[in-house]
Amino acid sequence: SQTIHQWPATLVQPVGSPLSLECTVEGTSNPNLYWYRQAAGRGLQLLFYSVGIGQISSEVPQNLSASRPQDRQFILSSKKLLLSDSGFYLCAWRQGIGQPQHFGDGTRLSIL
Amino acid sequence: GESVGLHLPTLSVQEGDNSIINCAYSNSASDYFIWYKQESGKGPQFIIDIRSNMDKRQGQRVTVLLNKTVKHLSLQIAATQPGDSAVYFCAEKNTGNQFYFGTGTSLTVIP
Repeated sequence: SQTIHQWPATLVQPVGSPLSLECTVEGTSNPNLYWYRQAAGRGLQLLFYSVGIGQISSEVPQNLSASRPQDRQFILSSKKLLLSDSGFYLCAWRQGIGQPQHFGDGTRLSIL
Repeated sequence: GESVGLHLPTLSVQEGDNSIINCAYSNSASDYFIWYKQESGKGPQFIIDIRSNMDKRQGQRVTVLLNKTVKHLSLQIAATQPGDSAVYFCAEKNTGNQFYFGTGTSLTVIP
C-alpha cells in the first residue's frame, strides 16, 4: 500500500534561518505531489505542485521554493524564513486525474 | 473564481445520532468532489469521493450526496461515534485539474 511521510512533525526556527521540509511517498511511482499551507480556521492554500521530477509549479508568490530531486521526494525550502511563514505545512500525493489527494501528517512550523 | 464553503463552522451531535455536514461550491464545471476528515495535529484523511455523474455514494457509515442543481454537497455520518469528532473538509476539482478546499466544519460528538 502507499504511504506518505513528512518530517519533522514540528519545527521552531528563528527569523532569517533557512528551511528544508521533506516529503516522501512509498508504494507508487510518478505521483503528482503537492505542498499546502493551512492557517488556523482557513482552508488549504496550495503552494506548489509537481507532475514529475524537476517539474515544479508555483501557485502563489512567496518566500518559499520547492524541488523534486527524485520521483517520490518533494522538498519545501526557504533561504530566509519570515514570521509570516509560520503555519501547518502539508504534503500530498495523487496518482492521477480523477483520484483523491492523500496527505501526510504535516509539519507545524513556528518562526520566532 | 472558485469558492468552496461550509454552511456551519461547528456542529455538535449526540453519540448515536446521524450527522449531516454541508458544503456549497460555486463552479458548476467541477467534476469531482471529496470529503476529508482532519483530527487535531494531523493531516486530512480521505473519507469518500463522488464524481459529477453521480448524485449519491455510500461507504461504511458515510454517505455523500451531490446536488448539482444547487451546487451542494453533503456528508452524512450514521450512528456518530466519539471517534468521529474532527474537522471535516469538502474539496472540489475543476476541469483545470486543481483542487479547492473548504474551511471545514468542526464536528463534536457528545457522549
